[in-house]
Amino acid sequence: EVQMVESGGGFVKPGGSLRLSCAASGFTFSNAWMSWVRQAPGKGLEWVGRIKGITDGETTDYAAPVEGRFTISRDDSKNTLYLQMNGLKTEDTAVYYCATGTWKYFAYWGQGTLVTVSS
Amino acid sequence: EIVLTQSPATLSLSPGERATLSCRASQSVSTYLAWYQQKPGQAPRLLIYDASNRATGIPARFIGSGSGTDFALTISSLEPEDFAVYYCQERSFWYTFGQGTKLEIK
Repeated sequence: EVQMVESGGGFVKPGGSLRLSCAASGFTFSNAWMSWVRQAPGKGLEWVGRIKGITDGETTDYAAPVEGRFTISRDDSKNTLYLQMNGLKTEDTAVYYCATGTWKYFAYWGQGTLVTVSS
Repeated sequence: EIVLTQSPATLSLSPGERATLSCRASQSVSTYLAWYQQKPGQAPRLLIYDASNRATGIPARFIGSGSGTDFALTISSLEPEDFAVYYCQERSFWYTFGQGTKLEIK
């Protein structure tokens, strides 16, 4: 059974940093393309960024609003995905989900972790 | 950047009725379109991929259709558990989601 569990969310002031983790199991993590998707309170879904699997070079891509501030990485030995968030803004307040599936769609999601950016 | 526009924003129907949700893309996405269902406090669930293929375990009452720029999700006969928010998502370039349609009980 595929399972993904996010952690690391919390309260942070504008300009601060936070690192989220996503512990995965039930599939071959090293080959999986992994994404972060966020959802601001009461709003829709927004893709944050993605890291490809080891066979595709583990390259990363980011959505424009987070480019240069957020960094996605992975530790295939620990089956864990990370999202390093720097220079946080109030508009980054959201539930952050890790998600995977095919290169096109997200068949598997974690339960999400809430990040609140406020002074 | 592709924009996905979902309509209506809210759809009020009764159990047993047929629901039709629309998703329009600002340019062609071929059939690279998925539909998700999200209930309060839960992660989204993949329903339909490649415009018309049901994901594993999804009931046959969920039907996806369309190609190019116009897509639809039809729920043939609403069950009480179908009342939720539905999102479309394209993958022709990056990953873009529509703004969602809330399906509520009338």
